[in-house]
Amino acid sequence: QKEVEQNSGPLSVPEGAIASLNCTYSDRGSQSFFWYRQYSGKSPELIMSIYSNGDKEDGRFTAQLNKASQYVSLLIRDSQPSDSATYLCAVYMDSNYQLIWGAGTKLIIKP
Amino acid sequence: GAVVSQHPSRVICKSGTSVKIECRSLDFQATTMFWYRQFPKQSLMLMATSNEGSKATYEQGVEKDKFLINHASLTLSTLTVTSAHPEDSSFYICSAPIAGAVNTEAFFGQGTRLTVV
Repeated sequence: QKEVEQNSGPLSVPEGAIASLNCTYSDRGSQSFFWYRQYSGKSPELIMSIYSNGDKEDGRFTAQLNKASQYVSLLIRDSQPSDSATYLCAVYMDSNYQLIWGAGTKLIIKP
Repeated sequence: GAVVSQHPSRVICKSGTSVKIECRSLDFQATTMFWYRQFPKQSLMLMATSNEGSKATYEQGVEKDKFLINHASLTLSTLTVTSAHPEDSSFYICSAPIAGAVNTEAFFGQGTRLTVV
């Protein structure tokens, strides 16, 4: 069983709509969760981090965490073509400073 | 924010030669750095964990004699791909966490696109 799972997509969303990306994880003891965005040929860049149950908002981005159900999601409001990228979910393992990565979801924002 | 610098960003080499990739933490000390490889349209694959002052820890299936890692200082880790072959062509990325913080996130280098011809 994969430790961090994401739907590979592609997820196609019209410009201006809300894009919803989901991630589930297997380790109930995980405390730190991250969303990274990766453009083709580039390194991942951190978008959001979340550590507590509930919602965390930053501009057009909202991260949602539900530890009981072991899922974390990322909402992108007012989607723009520049948001088209692969979004990687990562869960932090305290024991060895290691991030466990999902396979990523490819998001396509259609003008 | 923390910055991790990786270079070269792109390298083309002949089959059989060796290539060294450097990863530096510019404004913090990194006792641990991670080396990833990413093939087209695939996610990051952890290759090894680089530990300052000690041997690197390699993931299963990664040849330690082929991918030499040296972490000689708190700000520099190097990955050397020895006797490179076309199948080693990939995007190599290093990352460094800021140790000691509860909410640790990884900072990534710019990545190195290796093409072996």
